[in-house]
Amino acid sequence: KAGVTQTPRYLIKTRGQQVTLSCSPISGHRSVSWYQQTPGQGLQFLFEYFSETQRNKGNFPGRFSGRQFSNSRSEMNVSTLELGDSALYLCASRYGNEIGDTIYFGEGSWLTVV
Amino acid sequence: KNQVEQSPQSLIILEGKNCTLQCNYTVSPFSNLRWYKQDTGRGPVSLTIMTFSENTKSNGRYTATLDADTKQSSLHITASQLSDSASYICVVSAYSGGYNKLIFGAGTRLAVHP
Repeated sequence: KAGVTQTPRYLIKTRGQQVTLSCSPISGHRSVSWYQQTPGQGLQFLFEYFSETQRNKGNFPGRFSGRQFSNSRSEMNVSTLELGDSALYLCASRYGNEIGDTIYFGEGSWLTVV
Repeated sequence: KNQVEQSPQSLIILEGKNCTLQCNYTVSPFSNLRWYKQDTGRGPVSLTIMTFSENTKSNGRYTATLDADTKQSSLHITASQLSDSASYICVVSAYSGGYNKLIFGAGTRLAVHP
């Protein structure tokens, strides 16, 4: 079956602009979560959506937002981009919340802010 | 505070040698522990997942152990190959508020040299 698909794979934006990243989870998966990974840093949790509802949120400013559609596809948006937002943004999907659920990651979207 | 600490931060070994990566956690209530492999610039890929009652799990040349009493896990790589060069991430789930919250370690960066 198809894996987690993230688009775009690479993008360059200017400070002050906004960006929207897309994530299509594995078919049948209802949970989508987003992570930011900067060079040499661990994954920082942004938020998680389950059946179109945000059920957990990390410690990021309000410039970072997301949503999930009825087909489980998710988007994350970053407004008023800053240089420090340059990172690999990873999306992960899982079926639900059962203990032992395998979590599948996409290949990520590389965002460079100049 | 829920935390996952990994050691060493980085490691260099020669091809064919074995190595062991460590993960210590203070997560409550513990749900499960996962090890992921992340190649540079790619999304993490699941290696193993262990629940409270499991103390060892293998996936090819990768063997994970879990000691729930001391809250420690290790990932042992046997007969390393150049393709094992990657970051290895320990992820612990805490069951809270009706769902599993993931706590990520910062990862161990492994370099296998010929």
